[in-house]
Amino acid sequence: DIQMTQSPSSLSASVGDRVTITCRASQTISSYLNWYQQKPGKAPKLLIYVASSLQSGVPSRFSGSGSGTDFTLTISSLQPDDFATYYCQQSYTTPLTFGQGTKVEIK
Amino acid sequence: QITLKESGPTLVKPTQTLTLTCTFSGFSLSTRGVGVGWIRQPPGQALEWLALIYWDDDKRYNSSLKSRLTITKDTSKNQVVLTVTNVDPVDTATYYCARNSRWSGRDYFDYWGQGTLVTVSS
Repeated sequence: DIQMTQSPSSLSASVGDRVTITCRASQTISSYLNWYQQKPGKAPKLLIYVASSLQSGVPSRFSGSGSGTDFTLTISSLQPDDFATYYCQQSYTTPLTFGQGTKVEIK
Repeated sequence: QITLKESGPTLVKPTQTLTLTCTFSGFSLSTRGVGVGWIRQPPGQALEWLALIYWDDDKRYNSSLKSRLTITKDTSKNQVVLTVTNVDPVDTATYYCARNSRWSGRDYFDYWGQGTLVTVSS
């Protein structure tokens, strides 16, 4: 199975900060990488697909990059609505696997 | 408008079989490239993919649970059913169904149901 490792596991940031979350795959996955946002008690929401494509309706402050084994999700200017947990997920092969999540909290 | 909704029991006894239904609207599971998957999340833990069925009836399972999982679709009813046999308290989780889309050969879950919490306890 492909292991997805996110870092950090949690972070504290202020509104307006630039935030970067990293996801590393245990083997190469090309650009088969998606990012989701989840708020407490809610279903995950797709933010980025195929490593860098912004899902329709998602604010442009979210961006994704990377290929191979190393990927990043960047929030250019953190907004109050962005405090949530973020997950990466690989779709290169089954079993599909998710990272352990990165919780973004208010500083 | 695309919607998915999970339904099924909220409480199941150990060793029983759990049957969950995902009823969706706004898309067809006959469309090439489309699939419906199941993902679960134990309380306070990360997401775990369980199974996925594609428009052409191709089925994929999480190998760690494969012997216990069965996924089927009823295209005419716009439903996908997941059964989990021989449940254990560790199967306690919120179960989500989600639409799988494909772009340039790469899959992603773009629409999710609200989730249903299933507790396994005697």
